[in-house]
Amino acid sequence: DAEITQSPRHKITETGRQVTLACHQTWNHNNMFWYRQDLGHGLRLIHYSYGVQDTNKGEVSDGYSVSRSNTEDLPLTLESAASSQTSVYFCASSPGLAEDYEQYFGPGTRLTVT
Amino acid sequence: ILNVEQSPQSLHVQEGDSTNFTCSFPSSNFYALHWYRWETAKSPEALFVMTLNGDEKKKGRISATLNTKEGYSYLYIKGSQPEDSATYLCAFGRTTDSWGKLQFGAGTQVVVTP
Repeated sequence: DAEITQSPRHKITETGRQVTLACHQTWNHNNMFWYRQDLGHGLRLIHYSYGVQDTNKGEVSDGYSVSRSNTEDLPLTLESAASSQTSVYFCASSPGLAEDYEQYFGPGTRLTVT
Repeated sequence: ILNVEQSPQSLHVQEGDSTNFTCSFPSSNFYALHWYRWETAKSPEALFVMTLNGDEKKKGRISATLNTKEGYSYLYIKGSQPEDSATYLCAFGRTTDSWGKLQFGAGTQVVVTP
């Protein structure tokens, strides 16, 4: 069955370190998204991509970067981890270009920055 | 309304009772309204995607209505069961945003007690 996976599921890192969170989907979806989930804020968009070599900033992109070298993967990199980036991170993909296509979410990565 | 707001933040329902809750969104530039169900320790799953010309959506005991003119959507759960316990997220897509971008509300947490 097609799916979307994230790794690691849990990560503890120190302030200032570079961290990369992996997202892999087997649906062959062109659209992929990264969100962070914080109490009281719901899901906030970090970065998104419409296809290979395409990346775009979301509403909370500072301190994060993504790259899209193939259809299946959209890794999220925290350049220099900060305590404010402690959060749960969700990756999602969507089969269509427009907002009337549902998004499929991965299981999430809980990141703690100490 | 500039953002997506959900109310109430949480609610407790007796098994067998029906309930409903609200998602408010900007009434201009509407493209789509999504509802997601998010169970604890799992990832969000799409319930409905509602577009401008859509009718009431229904999936089993859960249904949703949409009023784009006044900027709100209701989610109804009929005859609540313990397995309906989850956080329900709504997400708004607007015509003036990039394709596929959604703005999420903070969610309504539903607890169904036997």
